[in-house]
Amino acid sequence: GAGVSQSPSNKVTEKGKDVELRCDPISGHTALYWYRQRLGQGLEFLIYFQGNSAPDKSGLPSDRFSAERTGESVSTLTIQRTQQEDSAVYLCASSSPKRVELFFGEGSRLTVL
Amino acid sequence: AQKITQTQPGMFVQEKEAVTLDCTYDTSDPSYGLFWYKQPSSGEMIFLIYQGSYDQQNATEGRYSLNFQKARKSANLVISASQLGDSAMYFCAMREGLRRGSQGNLIFGKGTKLSVKP
Repeated sequence: GAGVSQSPSNKVTEKGKDVELRCDPISGHTALYWYRQRLGQGLEFLIYFQGNSAPDKSGLPSDRFSAERTGESVSTLTIQRTQQEDSAVYLCASSSPKRVELFFGEGSRLTVL
Repeated sequence: AQKITQTQPGMFVQEKEAVTLDCTYDTSDPSYGLFWYKQPSSGEMIFLIYQGSYDQQNATEGRYSLNFQKARKSANLVISASQLGDSAMYFCAMREGLRRGSQGNLIFGKGTKLSVKP
């Protein structure tokens, strides 16, 4: 597709379970970003990939959060032992060196019961 | 200190009138970019406008213009001739380190909820 694709669009899980969220960036986009947006709040930066390396992991809130990226392609954000405070929309974005803006996916809404 | 400050949690504007959404920023990097995004209730993030720190002219894109005052570190978004479809959350954001060719992350403000009244 032409845009950033995220899956699942909705995920409901029980506290303590692990979840994986997937992001397919726009083809040719070298940079990929994960953000978290709690209900009614702004975007909180989690991690940024340039290619498959992560020069900036400063936003990951705890060691329960990890992310990886295969080349300049798909990225997976993993949250282990989920907690209720992890409930949020997780937004993925990608960008090209030729354009300044980030292109966002529609997000994965995570609800932890 | 917050890097991006949006002091207006909510704003109302009458349809067809202009509205200004405030944004101030804090950086010591001389090379940075400022962005505005719109987020309707559907949740998608829509890029509106960009201003580079070295740009001489204020950016404009259709009904959107950016009132860039570098000395005051402000980058207010002006929407002219408001439409009902402009009702949404608006986020100001900054990227530092542009001269280093950085594609680093955008730092977002907390947003302003704009409501356009008919």
